[in-house]
Amino acid sequence: QKEVEQNSGPLSVPEGAIASLNCTYSDRGSQSFFWYRQYSGKSPELIMSIYSNGDKEDGRFTAQLNKASQYVSLLIRDSQPSDSATYLCAVKGARGDSNYQLIWGAGTKLIIKP
Amino acid sequence: NAGVMQNPRHLVRRRGQEARLRCSPMKGHSHVYWYRQLPEEGLKFMVYLQKENIIDESGMPKERFSAEFPKEGPSILRIQQVVRGDSAAYFCASSGGAAETQYFGPGTRLLVL
Repeated sequence: QKEVEQNSGPLSVPEGAIASLNCTYSDRGSQSFFWYRQYSGKSPELIMSIYSNGDKEDGRFTAQLNKASQYVSLLIRDSQPSDSATYLCAVKGARGDSNYQLIWGAGTKLIIKP
Repeated sequence: NAGVMQNPRHLVRRRGQEARLRCSPMKGHSHVYWYRQLPEEGLKFMVYLQKENIIDESGMPKERFSAEFPKEGPSILRIQQVVRGDSAAYFCASSGGAAETQYFGPGTRLLVL
C-alpha cells in the first residue's frame, strides 16, 4: 500500500529561525510532490510543488526532493508566527491509471514561538 | 470568485437525515475530487469525478454515500441516513487535468447530532 509518512509534531521553532519539515514516501515511482499548508479550521492551501531532484525556492520556502532516498522536505526561512499551521505532504503516484490520485501524509503541526 | 466554491460551509443534521454537499470547481476545471478529514487527522480520498463520470470511488463507503458531477451544475456529495461518525470536514478540490495540481475549496463542516 502506498504511504506517505510525516512526523505529526508539534514542531516548535523560534521566530526568525529555519523550520524544517520532512516527508517520506513508499512508492518509488512517484512523480509529483506537493506541500500544502492548512490553518486550523481552514482548507489546505498549496505552497509548493516539486517534480525533479534538488531544491526549488519560492520566497522564504524551499522544497527539496531526493527520489533515491524517497524523501521530500520543506524549509521555511525566517519563520514567522503566521507560519504556524499544519503542513501536509502529498505525493502523486507513478504514471498510469491512478496518476491523478494524491497520497497524503497526516501532516506536521508547526508552531512558531515569538 | 474564480476559486473552488463549496456550500454550505456548515451543515447540521440529525441522525437518519440526508446531507447534500455541493462543490463548484474552479473556472476551467472539469476534474473534481472529494476528501474527508476527521478532527486531528489527515485527508482521506473519497471519489474522483469528471463531468458526468465517476472515475474512481475507491475511497467512498459502499453504503449511504454517493457522488455525481452532472453536465450542468455543481458536483454533489450525498450522504443518506447520516450517523454521528459522518461528522467531519468534507473538502472538494478541482484540477484542470488528471495530472494537474489540485486546488481546494473552503470545505463543508458536517455535524451530525
